[in-house]
Formats: sequence, C-alpha cells, structure tokens
Amino acid sequence: AQTVTQSQPEMSVQEAETVTLSCTYDTSESDYYLFWYKQPPSRQMILVIRQEAYKQQNATENRFSVNFQKAAKSFSLKISDSQLGDAAMYFCAYRSSYSGSARQLTFGSGTQLTVLP
Amino acid sequence: NAGVMQNPRHLVRRRGQEARLRCSPMKGHSHVYWYRQLPEEGLKFMVYLQKENIIDESGMPKERFSAEFPKEGPSILRIQQVVRGDSAAYFCASSPPLESYGYTFGSGTRLTVV
Repeated sequence: AQTVTQSQPEMSVQEAETVTLSCTYDTSESDYYLFWYKQPPSRQMILVIRQEAYKQQNATENRFSVNFQKAAKSFSLKISDSQLGDAAMYFCAYRSSYSGSARQLTFGSGTQLTVLP
Repeated sequence: NAGVMQNPRHLVRRRGQEARLRCSPMKGHSHVYWYRQLPEEGLKFMVYLQKENIIDESGMPKERFSAEFPKEGPSILRIQQVVRGDSAAYFCASSPPLESYGYTFGSGTRLTVV
C-alpha cells in the first residue's frame, strides 16, 4: 500500500518570502500522480498543483512550484512571494495512474502554514 | 457551472441516530469519492462509486456505513446508529471518467455526534 508522509506539522513564513513544504511517499509503482491540495479555514479542498511521475520536468503554477525527486520519492512544494491568503493547511497526495478501482487519493497528514505580516 | 455540492454543511446527531450526507457531483462527472477527515488528520478514502455501482469500498467501515449513487439524484453516504467516533468532516469529490488532473472536492459536511 502507498503511504504519504509530511514531516512538518507546522511551518511559518514571512509575507513575500519563500517557503518549502516537504513530502515523501512510498510506492512500488512506476507511474502515478502527485498532488498538493490547500485547505483554508473554509475547509474547501483546493488543488494547488499536480505532477505526473513520468514527467521529469517539475510542475509550476504561478508562485507555486514543486521539486519532484522520483528516485528519492520526494515531492516538495515551494511557495514564492508568500501572501497572507496562502495561510492554510497543505496536503500532499498520491494516486496510482492505473485505471479501475485504484483511483483513490492517499493523503499525508498535512502541514499548517502560517504567513506572518 | 456549479461545483461539487454537499449538504448539509453541518449536521448534529445524537448517539444512535442515523446520518445522511448528500453529494451532487459536478455536471458531467459520473465518478464520486467519499473521504473522511478526523480532527487534526488528513483525508482518508472511504468509497468510490459510479452511477449505480460501488467500485471500491475498501476504506468503508464494515458496519453501519453505506453509500449509494443512484441513476438519478445525489450520492448518499449513510451512517446508521452513529457513535461519538463518527464525528468528523466528510468530503465528497467527483471526476469525469478519464480524469487524471485531480478531483474536484465539495466543501464537506461536518458531522457532530452528541
């Protein structure tokens, strides 16, 4: 079974600075998807960024980028120019690329990000 | 184009009562997933359904919990004889059949058992 580990329960960053959230995972599969979701106090789960394992290029979405290290099974999220609205719980998630029943997302335990003004 | 709609947003039940949680997927989405989030934890998969079919219920407790996604109407997660340990936020997500981008989540239902 796949597992996802987020070893930083809490992180803080000064507004306009850069912060990196860590995520490691364990799998025996060679093809899969990785995601970062953001959960603000409203509780809504918002997709921030995704990465396909077969792509070597790191995904980027505006101020959000990932450092995907497939051999190390590491998938960190970098937030540049942090804004107050980035404050939220961030979850790393894994999903097999195989079709059929294996479509569930496996989530880490989350990192609570605080942005300091 | 409305997103995934879950209702109610908050639900309070006494121990022993039944809880029914509803999820209407996004238009064009035929796959529904239910997740549970206990306090201070990540989301845990419960069940994956397509219209009129349960595809994967490996995360569903064996007793008291059931889910359905009928041909017409929303998906329902039903918890019978609720206990305090069922208190959690329950999230529904939906996707189209060939999705790979990441599911669209609803805002969740917070169930409190008193």
